[in-house]
Amino acid sequence: DIQMTQSPSSLSASVGDRVTITCQASQDISNYLNWYQQKPGKAPKLLIYDASNLETGVPSRFSGSGSGTDFTFTISSLQPEDIATYYCQQYDNLSWTFGQGTKVEIK
Amino acid sequence: QVQLVQSGAEVKKPGASVKVSCKVSGYTLTELSMHWVRQAPGKGLEWMGGFDPEDGETIYAQKFQGRVTMTEDTSTDTAYMELSSLRSEDTAVYYCAKYSSSSSGLDVWGQGTTVTVSS
Repeated sequence: DIQMTQSPSSLSASVGDRVTITCQASQDISNYLNWYQQKPGKAPKLLIYDASNLETGVPSRFSGSGSGTDFTFTISSLQPEDIATYYCQQYDNLSWTFGQGTKVEIK
Repeated sequence: QVQLVQSGAEVKKPGASVKVSCKVSGYTLTELSMHWVRQAPGKGLEWMGGFDPEDGETIYAQKFQGRVTMTEDTSTDTAYMELSSLRSEDTAVYYCAKYSSSSSGLDVWGQGTTVTVSS
């Protein structure tokens, strides 16, 4: 199975800060990577697909980049409503895997 | 607008089976590819399996092969996930989620079903 290593596992930032999360795949997955946001007690929400495409209705402060094995997720200006756990997920082969998640908190 | 509504919470004994349902509205089930993801308490997301529209088959995560079965009843637009030989580590929230061929992601999710395995 392809392993997804996400970092950091948690972070604390101030409102307005730029926040960056990385995800590394154990092998080349091209751009077959999605990013999800999960708020406490809620189902996940798809934010970014194919590594860099913004899902319809998602604010433009969210972005993604990367290909191959190294990927980055960015919140350009952290807002209070962005408090959540973020997960990367690969779909390169017939066995999908999620990263372990990054919990984002407000400082 | 697709909506996925899951069945209610379950409490099962070790060794038993559980069958979680996911009712589709707004679309017919034949138009969708359904996947299942679980989340143990305080843990991350774990993909269990789903329908691969390219092959027309359901694929299961290796970890669950032999223990999980995903089925569909197109007459009621309901998808099912059955997990057998339950153990305490299977205590989790189980989600159904619709695969989007345009985004290659899971773009609509059910509300989740809590399954507790306890003697």
